[in-house]
Amino acid sequence: AQKVTQAQTEISVVEKEDVTLDCVYETRDTTYYLFWYKQPPSGELVFLIRRNSFDEQNEISGRYSWNFQKSTSSFNFTITASQVVDSAVYFCALSEGNTGTASKLTFGTGTRLQVTL
Amino acid sequence: DGGITQSPKYLFRKEGQNVTLSCEQNLNHDAMYWYRQDPGQGLRLIYYSQIVNDFQKGDIAEGYSVSREKKESFPLTVTSAQKNPTAFYLCASMTRDSSYNEQFFGPGTRLTVL
Repeated sequence: AQKVTQAQTEISVVEKEDVTLDCVYETRDTTYYLFWYKQPPSGELVFLIRRNSFDEQNEISGRYSWNFQKSTSSFNFTITASQVVDSAVYFCALSEGNTGTASKLTFGTGTRLQVTL
Repeated sequence: DGGITQSPKYLFRKEGQNVTLSCEQNLNHDAMYWYRQDPGQGLRLIYYSQIVNDFQKGDIAEGYSVSREKKESFPLTVTSAQKNPTAFYLCASMTRDSSYNEQFFGPGTRLTVL
């Protein structure tokens, strides 16, 4: 069975600080996909980033970056120079890797990020 | 504008009543999903559908029912058998052509049982 753990329930930072959200996953699949979603107060989930199990290259996209390490089953997400608009709940999710089938997402419990002035 | 719409945004139900939540997408996606979110928890899968006229139970299907008569529509009925239906419900869709399995989400329906 797949499992996603987000140990940080809530994080509070001051604007312009960098913040890293942790995600640890468990799966028996050799092919899988990892995602980060943002849920602002409006409730809708917004897709942020994704990674497949064959690509451990870490990247930066604007203020977002991620660190994928298969050896520790972690997929951490960093926001650089945080802004008040980044305040939201962030979810890490995992899906099995059967392309073309209706893959199910397994979500972590989320990390609430509060960015203050 | 392509996207997923859910209606209503807020729904109130008396105990013992069935209610149906609407989910429509114009993204031409094959797969559709229903998730439930409770406070402080992640999303849990209720039902999903890969193609028209076919659907499968997710992790918490008891007390719920769905239909998939049209590609663009996947309504969810919360029946009186669902013991604790108050929650936030999110609908999602995904193209089966995607190699990334990325799901797109609607704005959600907040259901409250009075």
